[in-house]
Amino acid sequence: SAVISQKPSRDICQRGTSLTIQCQVDSQVTMMFWYRQQPGQSLTLIATANQGSEATYESGFVIDKFPISRPNLTFSTLTVSNMSPEDSSIYLCSVDERGNTGELFFGEGSRLTVL
Amino acid sequence: SQQGEEDPQALSIQEGENATMNCSYKTSINNLQWYRQNSGRGLVHLILIRSNEREKHSGRLRVTLDTSKKSSSLLITASRAADTASYFCATANRGNNRLAFGKGNQVVVIP
Repeated sequence: SAVISQKPSRDICQRGTSLTIQCQVDSQVTMMFWYRQQPGQSLTLIATANQGSEATYESGFVIDKFPISRPNLTFSTLTVSNMSPEDSSIYLCSVDERGNTGELFFGEGSRLTVL
Repeated sequence: SQQGEEDPQALSIQEGENATMNCSYKTSINNLQWYRQNSGRGLVHLILIRSNEREKHSGRLRVTLDTSKKSSSLLITASRAADTASYFCATANRGNNRLAFGKGNQVVVIP
């Protein structure tokens, strides 16, 4: 299975700042996704990162708040912009290595705390 | 998007006992999956059951799927302390295969 590396693994951020999370996969994958997991909650899909085009956002998530880049088939970034304490969450990168089966492999997540 | 819902949400058992978790969903699915998450880290895929399957086994895991009741169960047999984790079900829609995750079950296995 794909090995997925996320950076940073955790960070403490100040209100109003922005942070970019990186996701690196050790193989080329077509489908890459970003999820958010708020404290004690389940996972919510933020967007699908599309290679070479704009990400596809889920309801409730907008590009201005969560800009995503996907320059190639092995790398993506998620930026959390103008952070507030409500953005304190674990952000998870995931890939569908086998091509749209729905079976996902996840990175270890990036735990953000916004003060 | 649909949401799986697990029941119960917290389970504490002795090592060696079996742990059973349930999940319900609301719409038509392509498949249903179970994932494990240790201490707020990344999720690990455990097992996938397709909509035309009724039961599936993988090691100490047994998953059932009842599409008429729109429900699934995950059984972990002979539990170990290392099974302590949160377990999530996730459903893949017929439309786009995007996963919708349920609320999760926290399982604590006491040595």
